[in-house]
Amino acid sequence: AQSVAQPEDQVNVAEGNPLTVKCTYSVSGNPYLFWYVQYPNRGLQFLLKYITGDNLVKGSYGFEAEFNKSQTSFHLKKPSALVSDSALYFCAVRDFTGGSYIPTFGRGTSLIVHP
Amino acid sequence: GAVVSQHPSRVICKSGTSVKIECRSLDFQATTMFWYRQFPKQSLMLMATSNEGSKATYEQGVEKDKFLINHASLTLSTLTVTSAHPEDSSFYICSAEDRELAEQYFGPGTRLTVT
Repeated sequence: AQSVAQPEDQVNVAEGNPLTVKCTYSVSGNPYLFWYVQYPNRGLQFLLKYITGDNLVKGSYGFEAEFNKSQTSFHLKKPSALVSDSALYFCAVRDFTGGSYIPTFGRGTSLIVHP
Repeated sequence: GAVVSQHPSRVICKSGTSVKIECRSLDFQATTMFWYRQFPKQSLMLMATSNEGSKATYEQGVEKDKFLINHASLTLSTLTVTSAHPEDSSFYICSAEDRELAEQYFGPGTRLTVT
């Protein structure tokens, strides 16, 4: 069975500082990894994905994530946080090869960027 | 990116009535759509996977007779909450899949309140 762990319920960071939102995963086959952002009372917006290729993936709004196979991690990062980045972030994994293609989401991490 | 619409965005109904929520992929054909339920400050709970032209696959613990899903075309899936009760009050989110891109596109969500 596939799973995703987001170990932090909340991440606090000052505006202008770098931010990291952690995600680790477990799949039997090759992972497809995703990050989404959710603003209050809205659906999820796609940020970025990793399928294959370069381990560093760049996405929307200046976010990036690094796929680390040995640590089974896919942490979301941004060099300089903005107050407008404050939202709920979800990591997700899909396994089209070895397991169910159904996506599995982490529990979400609330990012709060302080002015 | 692709657009998925959801209607209505907000609905209040009386206990015992039924409510239909529509999910449409506006600019692509979605063979698969997913229906999620989200409680406040919690992750997405997958309710069912809907494939065009076939019966939906429900997750364990989700009553298929209560949450009726129809995916009659490649651009429309509907979720009907039958005989709604206050405990069904929640935020319902659909997503449509572009299988070629291995991406999900989410609707903006529907806030259901049952009084």
